[in-house]
Amino acid sequence: GENVEQHPSTLSVQEGDSAVIKCTYSDSASNYFPWYKQELGKRPQLIIDIRSNVGEKKDQRIAVTLNKTAKHFSLHITETQPEDSAVYFCAALSGGYQKVTFGTGTKLQVIP
Amino acid sequence: DGGITQSPKYLFRKEGQNVTLSCEQNLNHDAMYWYRQDPGQGLRLIYYSQIVNDFQKGDIAEGYSVSREKKESFPLTVTSAQKNPTAFYLCASSIFSLAGLSTNEQFFGPGTRLTVL
Repeated sequence: GENVEQHPSTLSVQEGDSAVIKCTYSDSASNYFPWYKQELGKRPQLIIDIRSNVGEKKDQRIAVTLNKTAKHFSLHITETQPEDSAVYFCAALSGGYQKVTFGTGTKLQVIP
Repeated sequence: DGGITQSPKYLFRKEGQNVTLSCEQNLNHDAMYWYRQDPGQGLRLIYYSQIVNDFQKGDIAEGYSVSREKKESFPLTVTSAQKNPTAFYLCASSIFSLAGLSTNEQFFGPGTRLTVL
């Protein structure tokens, strides 16, 4: 089955700096890669996603890159703000079974 | 709140008892999922269902059971066979496309925190 590894587990950055979270996956058939943000005490919510036929996608201060050959994808947050502080999860969708495998999460702290 | 609800919010159970967690959605989604969330371990898939009357085991199905008799409902039973059931349980739903091209954005419920006493 699919295995998703996520690094780092915790990340502290100064407000205004950039943050990068990296994930690797094992199943070459995976074709959809979402990122979820979970604020303290709240449910996870999708912030950005990318399909396997695209190398990069941006949405304001957030971007995701995908390297299919190396089987890794990354989340980039620029100009971080205190409200970006949360736990971020990467995930991979395997083939037609609609099974989503999540990474173990990264706790991001943005220091004002 | 996204049209997916879970109840109760908090649940206490004595060892040896079975307990059922409720998950309901009005988003007309075909696929539903149950995850367990423990500190430092992310979201681990327990069971998932793509259509009514069908479900598949996830990565940690032992000690759990589910049913999918209605499209809107996907209850999870935590049985006494589950050795460490204290955790935060999240239900989610998404659309399901056989073409595999549509988004699989999952909409999560607010969760149920289960504590075994």
